[in-house]
Amino acid sequence: DAGVTQSPTHLIKTRGQHVTLRCSPISGHKSVSWYQQVLGQGPQFIFQYYEKEERGRGNFPDRFSARQFPNYSSELNVNALLLGDSALYLCASSPGLLGKDAMSQYFGPGTRLLVL
Amino acid sequence: AQSVTQPDIHITVSEGASLELRCNYSYGATPYLFWYVQSPGQGLQLLLKYFSGDTLVQGIKGFEAEFKRSQSSFNLRKPSVHWSDAAEYFCAVGVGNFNKFYFGSGTKLNVKP
Repeated sequence: DAGVTQSPTHLIKTRGQHVTLRCSPISGHKSVSWYQQVLGQGPQFIFQYYEKEERGRGNFPDRFSARQFPNYSSELNVNALLLGDSALYLCASSPGLLGKDAMSQYFGPGTRLLVL
Repeated sequence: AQSVTQPDIHITVSEGASLELRCNYSYGATPYLFWYVQSPGQGLQLLLKYFSGDTLVQGIKGFEAEFKRSQSSFNLRKPSVHWSDAAEYFCAVGVGNFNKFYFGSGTKLNVKP
């Protein structure tokens, strides 16, 4: 089975632009989470989606938004890009929402975003 | 507030030597605990996880970790390090009903020949 896939792998944008990142979860997984990993730091939780609904949000501004589609794939959108948004954006999928199902997260390879 | 501390930013060990990476967490209840490994430019690979039960858990690639409630620790160990283990290691805590993960800042492992 394919793992979590993300596209694109790399992206260069300029300040003020907006970006859309995409994630396809492992087949059968209904939950998708997004993380931002700035160079030299651990990943920071941005969003969790389950069955197309937002179920959790980290401490990120409203410029960050996401959605989940009926096939459980997901998009992360970032508006009005800032230099500080440069990071590796990781997507993780898990089978369910609660307990051990929720905690069994599998990560994709990430999208590396550079904002100039 | 929940937090995860990895006190060692960099560690260098000789190939064949033993390894211990430290992780301490701050959380009111017993959390779910994880160790992930990340090679340069790559995503995160799960090494092992602790949900409940036996406090010594075995993972992939010969790694193990021990949950010590009294010390709020979940240290990662390997008896004999291989050059291919050079990477960055992240400890993570999962809390609540939803999969909110809190990651430590990571420990970079260098392996000397």
